Amino acid sequence: EVQLVESGGGLVKPGGSLRLSCAASGFTFSSYSMNWVRQAPGKGLEWVSSISSSSSYIYYADSVKGRFTISRDNAKNSLYLQMNSLRAEDTAVYYCARTVAGTLEFDYWGQGTLVTVSS
Amino acid sequence: DIQMTQSPSTLSASVGDRVTITCRASQSISSWLAWYQQKPGKAPKLLIYKASSLESGVPSRFSGSGSGTEFTLTISSLQPDDFATYYCQQYNSYTWTFGQGTKVEIK
Repeated sequence: EVQLVESGGGLVKPGGSLRLSCAASGFTFSSYSMNWVRQAPGKGLEWVSSISSSSSYIYYADSVKGRFTISRDNAKNSLYLQMNSLRAEDTAVYYCARTVAGTLEFDYWGQGTLVTVSS
Repeated sequence: DIQMTQSPSTLSASVGDRVTITCRASQSISSWLAWYQQKPGKAPKLLIYKASSLESGVPSRFSGSGSGTEFTLTISSLQPDDFATYYCQQYNSYTWTFGQGTKVEIK
């Protein structure tokens, strides 16, 4: 069974940093591109970042470019999101999601981890 | 960037109704469109990919159509489990974009 479990969320002050993790199991992690998607409280979904299976290709939404860094460790079956210079508008539930090879939709999602940026 | 616009934002319907949600792209995305269902407090669930392909395990009352800039998600006979928020997502370029969502409520 495919499982994605996020961790690392919490309360952080504006300007602070946080590192999210996503532990993957039930599939060959190193064969899939992965993503982070966020959802502010009561709002819609926003794609944040994507990373290819070998980390060769990385993409970011303009709203996080230069502040967030996506990475992965295929030996540990883990995906990461380093978030720096956090702002109030980064407050959201952050989901990791798996990309379907070839067609690029997201077929499996984690349960999400809440990041709250507030003083 | 490609913008995705869904309509309506909210839809009130009864069990058994036929429901249609529209998603428009700001430029052509061929058939690179997916639909997701999300219930409160839960992660989104993939329903439709490549505009009209039904994800494995999804009931056949869900269907998708369209190409280019205009797409629709249809629920042929609304069931109690279908009351949720639905999002379209484009993936034609390597900056995925979601629509703002359509909440399907009980009438």
